Amino acid sequence: GEDVEQSLFLSVREGDSSVINCTYTDSSSTYLYWYKQEPGAGLQLLTYIFSNMDMKQDQRLTVLLNKKDKHLSLRIADTQTGDSAIYFCAESKKGTYKYIFGTGTRLKVLA
Amino acid sequence: EAGVAQSPRYKIIEKRQSVAFWCNPISGHATLYWYQQILGQGPKLLIQFQNNGVVDDSQLPKDRFSAERLKGVDSTLKIQPAKLEDSAVYLCASSQGPTNEQFFGPGTRLTVL
Repeated sequence: GEDVEQSLFLSVREGDSSVINCTYTDSSSTYLYWYKQEPGAGLQLLTYIFSNMDMKQDQRLTVLLNKKDKHLSLRIADTQTGDSAIYFCAESKKGTYKYIFGTGTRLKVLA
Repeated sequence: EAGVAQSPRYKIIEKRQSVAFWCNPISGHATLYWYQQILGQGPKLLIQFQNNGVVDDSQLPKDRFSAERLKGVDSTLKIQPAKLEDSAVYLCASSQGPTNEQFFGPGTRLTVL
């Protein structure tokens, strides 16, 4: 199937690390992406990783990719209240560049 | 650099009416996408254009939805006639280059009564 799966909710305390997980479907996907969506807004690209990489770090964000298990994770260090949003992972289909989005994880940061 | 523009931001119509959405992608982006996002779900691709040609419209309900991208720049998405289940946010995105990062507009929230 084409389902990209994510857990629905995550709650963390301000200053802690958040880890959002994603299981994708297509082992031939070339790029995997993380997007953030705040209420009433479009999707904001946070970061992406090429499929031949295991890890990518960008300031407070760390992306880990396990191709064998088709597992992607996004770690947010020192989580702030402004990080509260819905986070979507997406895989890009090889050849078509078509995105398949996950179901989204709602992150709530408690002060 | 200006982002992806969409209008209107909100639209309320009654079922069986028609509605149209407009999108202006980032300048120079050859690929344009329309997505439907139902509340509580991830975006679902409706149609993908490369310049003014259709690359993928496999999930577009063609009996009621249509889209065009004249001159390979702006695009319009039309629903005629609308059904209750069309209530959703319609997102437009554009991309360019091998990494295919898609940049999204703010979306149009459609409510069908």
